[in-house]
Amino acid sequence: EAQVTQNPRYLITVTGKKLTVTCSQNMNHEYMSWYRQDPGLGLRQIYYSMNVEVTDKGDVPEGYKVSRKEKRNFPLILESPSPNQTSLYFCASSLPTGLSYNEQFFGPGTRLTVL
Amino acid sequence: KQEVTQIPAALSVPEGENLVLNCSFTDSAIYNLQWFRQDPGKGLTSLLLIQSSQREQTSGRLNASLDKSSGRSTLYIAASQPGDSATYLCAVRDDKIIFGKGTRLHILP
Repeated sequence: EAQVTQNPRYLITVTGKKLTVTCSQNMNHEYMSWYRQDPGLGLRQIYYSMNVEVTDKGDVPEGYKVSRKEKRNFPLILESPSPNQTSLYFCASSLPTGLSYNEQFFGPGTRLTVL
Repeated sequence: KQEVTQIPAALSVPEGENLVLNCSFTDSAIYNLQWFRQDPGKGLTSLLLIQSSQREQTSGRLNASLDKSSGRSTLYIAASQPGDSATYLCAVRDDKIIFGKGTRLHILP
């Protein structure tokens, strides 16, 4: 089954404790991205990756890091989480930008609470 | 900078009615536009994707149109059902992917 998986689905942590949210896709997609969703602000792109070893900032990259060492995986790293990073996070994948048919597929989401 | 707007923010409609959700965008140089459905606290389910060269796409009771020149897309839902209650999001793709804030739809039984 074609899918995007994220782990963990729920996480409660404390300020400053480094954490990683994993994302994996089995569709051999080149493009992967991370979003956060907040009430009243909608979905905002954090980082995206066009392919292995190619990453770029989205609209709200501050406080986050990503890496793309393998095509299928795109982890999101919070080196020193703060309460304003409490949010619902989504990972997504698709065929490359530039193709007109590049439907995005989303993971189930990770609800993060930073105390 | 691309901006995507969805109006209204919320909509309540009696069951059985046909309805239209709107999505507007400021820069017409897009690769495609995608409509999603999101249930409370859940992930996004893709409904329809319209390529930049297309005018509309249909799936079951859903029909999405795209008018690039005017920067508009509509999602038409025929014969609405209580199960259609959800938030509907549109996203445009140019070099980045920009989402609207969604329309929260409530179908009244």
